[in-house]
Amino acid sequence: AQSVTQPDIHITVSEGASLELRCNYSYGATPYLFWYVQSPGQGLQLLLKYFSGDTLVQGIKGFEAEFKRSQSSFNLRKPSVHWSDAAEYFCAVGSFTSGTYKYIFGTGTRLKVLA
Amino acid sequence: DVKVTQSSRYLVKRTGEKVFLECVQDMDHENMFWYRQDPGLGLRLIYFSYDVKMKEKGDIPEGYSVSREKKERFSLILESASTNQTSMYLCASSRTGVVNTEAFFGQGTRLTVV
Repeated sequence: AQSVTQPDIHITVSEGASLELRCNYSYGATPYLFWYVQSPGQGLQLLLKYFSGDTLVQGIKGFEAEFKRSQSSFNLRKPSVHWSDAAEYFCAVGSFTSGTYKYIFGTGTRLKVLA
Repeated sequence: DVKVTQSSRYLVKRTGEKVFLECVQDMDHENMFWYRQDPGLGLRLIYFSYDVKMKEKGDIPEGYSVSREKKERFSLILESASTNQTSMYLCASSRTGVVNTEAFFGQGTRLTVV
């Protein structure tokens, strides 16, 4: 069965430090992968997505992610974190099932940024 | 600018009440989704719809039903609300026929059942 695992429930970093959020997926075919961010009390906003081609994808707000098929991973990175990046981050995989397309989400990683 | 609008940001309902959560999208998307979000559990799919009057159960459909009479509107119905349905509910929509298309989300409805 398709699934997404985000092994870190909480991560705390200092402002200006680098960030890496981990995501592992289980999917039988070519995965379509997404990272979303959710600020407190808000809906989800797309940061970036991967479909094919270059395995390093750039997104909004200075985020990037690298697809590694051999490790079934799609980790999110940012070289220098800003206080406004404090939020919850969700990894997702797009899944075709019985001719319909839906999204499977991980359990999320909550990021805290120290001033 | 694309938009998914959920009718309420906050709702407080009593146990046993019938509750309607409404979602409207203005992007002419075929697919619409209802998710439930709980701490530590992420987003879990309740129901989705890939066309008007078409619906499929997600991972946690028990206690919920849905209605999609018009393309732009997707309603989630709690037939008899219970306290364990207190949660954040997120509606989303996406295009069909494009495999790498993302889902667009509404702002969420935080439902409290007392």
